[in-house]
Amino acid sequence: QVQLQESGPGLVKPSETLSLTCTVSGGSLSTSYWSWIRQPPGKGLEWIGYVYYSGSTKYNPSLKGRVTISIDTSKKQFSLTLSSVTAADTAMYYCARDDLYCGGASCREVLDYWGQGTLVTVTS
Amino acid sequence: DIQLTQSPSFLSASVGDRVTITCRASQDISSYLAWYQQKPGRAPKLVIYGASTLQSGVPSRFSGSGSGTEFTLTISSLQPEDFATYYCQQLDSYPRTFGQGTKVDVK
Repeated sequence: QVQLQESGPGLVKPSETLSLTCTVSGGSLSTSYWSWIRQPPGKGLEWIGYVYYSGSTKYNPSLKGRVTISIDTSKKQFSLTLSSVTAADTAMYYCARDDLYCGGASCREVLDYWGQGTLVTVTS
Repeated sequence: DIQLTQSPSFLSASVGDRVTITCRASQDISSYLAWYQQKPGRAPKLVIYGASTLQSGVPSRFSGSGSGTEFTLTISSLQPEDFATYYCQQLDSYPRTFGQGTKVDVK
């Protein structure tokens, strides 16, 4: 059973950088994509981006180049940094495994295991 | 970006009811759609992927259908543990996007 656990500061000051780590247990990082998703209080879900075990990444353009996701397979961790944060970045941040499934002519990734989430509040 | 619109946004139902939630995509996404269930204070949980494939461990009262731009999630007989918010997510292209959610609460 794959388990994910987010960790990092719960409070970040405006204009500073948010940094979170996700530690994976019960599975290998070398077989899947690994994603970050966030959810502002009382609102819906926003996909932030993913990292593949090779280190390749894809990000949501809405975050305007402020996001970096990296991976350390030896530590079984992947990380999120979000720079120049504002109050709009206050949210529950989830890490998740984005596992491949194949149906028909193509394969796609789906978020099948999630961490419990960590609340990050941007406040001075 | 592909926009997903769920309807209704809120749904009141009773235990035993048949419940249907619709997700409409702004362009053809074939069958690349997933459904998630989220309970208060918890992470989302995968229910359906590939529009109609039930995730392992999910009760068979859940089913999904549709392709192209219109999809449905059906709960055949609502159980107390099914009261939650449900989100659809398109898996066709990046950035991945979610519907705004449908909250299913007690009538």
